[in-house]
Amino acid sequence: AQSVTQPDIHITVSEGASLELRCNYSYGATPYLFWYVQSPGQGLQLLLKYFSGDTLVQGIKGFEAEFKRSQSSFNLRKPSVHWSDAAEYFCAVGFNAGNNRKLIWGLGTSLAVNP
Amino acid sequence: DAGVTQSPTHLIKTRGQQVTLRCSPKSGHDTVSWYQQALGQGPQFIFQYYEEEERQRGNFPDRFSGHQFPNYSSELNVNALLLGDSALYLCASSLSLGADTQYFGPGTRLTVL
Repeated sequence: AQSVTQPDIHITVSEGASLELRCNYSYGATPYLFWYVQSPGQGLQLLLKYFSGDTLVQGIKGFEAEFKRSQSSFNLRKPSVHWSDAAEYFCAVGFNAGNNRKLIWGLGTSLAVNP
Repeated sequence: DAGVTQSPTHLIKTRGQQVTLRCSPKSGHDTVSWYQQALGQGPQFIFQYYEEEERQRGNFPDRFSGHQFPNYSSELNVNALLLGDSALYLCASSLSLGADTQYFGPGTRLTVL
């Protein structure tokens, strides 16, 4: 069965430090991959997505993610974290189910940023 | 270009009551999906509407029902509210049924007392 794992429930980094949030998936083919961010009490904002092509994708707010087929991973990175990046980050995997697309969500990683 | 909008922002109901939440999709989008997000959890898929029909459904009881209107806007109805229905309800729209990317609204926070 398809699944998405975000191994880190909570991460704390210092402002200016680099960041990597992990996402692993289980799916027989290459899925569609997404990272969303959610600030407290807010909806989900799309950071970036991977469908095909270049395995390193750039997103908004200085984020990037790399798709590694051999590791079934799609980790999110940012070279220098800002205090405003503190939020909940969700990895999602989309795949075909008949004529529809289905999205499977990870449980999220909560990011705290120390000043 | 307006994004996905939802109303109301917050709602407080008591057990046993019924509630209706509303969603207007992003301009040009014709497919609407609804998610429930409990506190500290990821989104859980409720159902998806396209061409005014429910096309997919997650593992939610029949107390959860929906509707899509000709202008693509959508409603989520929940009957016989339980305390466990307290959550953030998110609406997402996409360009078409087979589209790859969903865009989310700000959500409606439902509290059941």
